[in-house]
Amino acid sequence: RKEVEQDPGPFNVPEGATVAFNCTYSNSASQSFFWYRQDCRKEPKLLMSVYSSGNEDGRFTAQLNRASQYISLLIRDSKLSDSATYLCVVIEYGNQFYFGTGTSLTVIP
Amino acid sequence: SAVISQKPSRDICQRGTSLTIQCQVDSQVTMMFWYRQQPGQSLTLIATANQGSEATYESGFVIDKFPISRPNLTFSTLTVSNMSPEDSSIYLCSVELSGFRDTEAFFGQGTRLTVV
Repeated sequence: RKEVEQDPGPFNVPEGATVAFNCTYSNSASQSFFWYRQDCRKEPKLLMSVYSSGNEDGRFTAQLNRASQYISLLIRDSKLSDSATYLCVVIEYGNQFYFGTGTSLTVIP
Repeated sequence: SAVISQKPSRDICQRGTSLTIQCQVDSQVTMMFWYRQQPGQSLTLIATANQGSEATYESGFVIDKFPISRPNLTFSTLTVSNMSPEDSSIYLCSVELSGFRDTEAFFGQGTRLTVV
């Protein structure tokens, strides 16, 4: 069983749409949670951290449900520049990072 | 934050040969991490490079195939030895920096390897 599972997509949405990505993790003792963004042929970069209380940064909202071991990312008012792969990342005890396979998003004009 | 310079950015290699990938970090870090990212797959940790000691390899990866050097706190190399087409992948080095609340991973630009 994979530590982190994501729907790979692809998600193709029109500009201005709202899109949500989901991710589940297998280890209930996982400590920290993140969304990373990876542009085509580029390295992953931190998009935002995910906290139990929820985390909002502009058009992006991330939420964590520890009881269901579930993480989400909501993007409102999608822009063309949001097109990328979004990686769900979980840190387990000992600071080992586990990456999801990523969810591909294409925002269409 | 951390800035990591990784090279080469890409290479096409003949099977049976070896390629060494280099990563230079702009600050001193205890551990550096080497990942592989195959098409449509998640990042898979190959090994953790520790300065002053042998690298720690994850299940499925061995030192003979992926020897690692860590001569100082800002530099590491990963060699992909005796390459086969199955080694075609993106290889990424990474460091982790802890802030007030979170630990963040920073990555090199990646090395896109094609073995023919």
